[in-house]
Amino acid sequence: GQQVMQIPQYQHVQEGEDFTTYCNSSTTLSNIQWYKQRPGGHPVFLIQLVKSGEVKKQKRLTFQFGEAKKNSSLHITATQTTDVGTYFCAGPGTGGTSYGKLTFGQGTILTVHP
Amino acid sequence: DAEITQSPRHKITETGRQVTLACHQTWNHNNMFWYRQDLGHGLRLIHYSYGVQDTNKGEVSDGYSVSRSNTEDLPLTLESAASSQTSVYFCASSDRTGFLREQYFGPGTRLTVT
Repeated sequence: GQQVMQIPQYQHVQEGEDFTTYCNSSTTLSNIQWYKQRPGGHPVFLIQLVKSGEVKKQKRLTFQFGEAKKNSSLHITATQTTDVGTYFCAGPGTGGTSYGKLTFGQGTILTVHP
Repeated sequence: DAEITQSPRHKITETGRQVTLACHQTWNHNNMFWYRQDLGHGLRLIHYSYGVQDTNKGEVSDGYSVSRSNTEDLPLTLESAASSQTSVYFCASSDRTGFLREQYFGPGTRLTVT
């Protein structure tokens, strides 16, 4: 089945440094979603990318979808302590009818040192 | 406001016991999902449902079952709890119609099997 690989598993940064997490798929994705999970919390939807080469920004967060639609990245500029958490990418599930099933990457745990 | 709730939030049980985790959503979503989250594995899909009387196995379904008798609820049952099922369990729901299909997650249930 489809796998979505995400790296790195952990990232420790000093406040103010940039951060990037990468997501790679063995197959072409029709779309990719990104979620954030604060420590002790639940995943919360951030954004969905659909088009080849698409770039979307949310304040200090920049999301990219690769030209081949097999990879994606999330970049945070000048991290803040509020950025702490686990960031997940998720691609559409495979196998039979898919009305919204997702396959999640392993997640990147971000810690920010003040 | 619409929401998705899980109960109990914490549960300790003994090996071999049957355990049921509740999930209730008021979004009126057709899609509902159960995930388990373990360090290093991200979110792994256990079971999912696309509507009443519809249930499907996910990638880690062994030892778990679900039933969908109405739109709002998707209880997850561990038939005979095992220590390997100690985990954090998340329920999620999404709208079947439309293109976005972002998933809304419940607060999670932390299950410990002793």
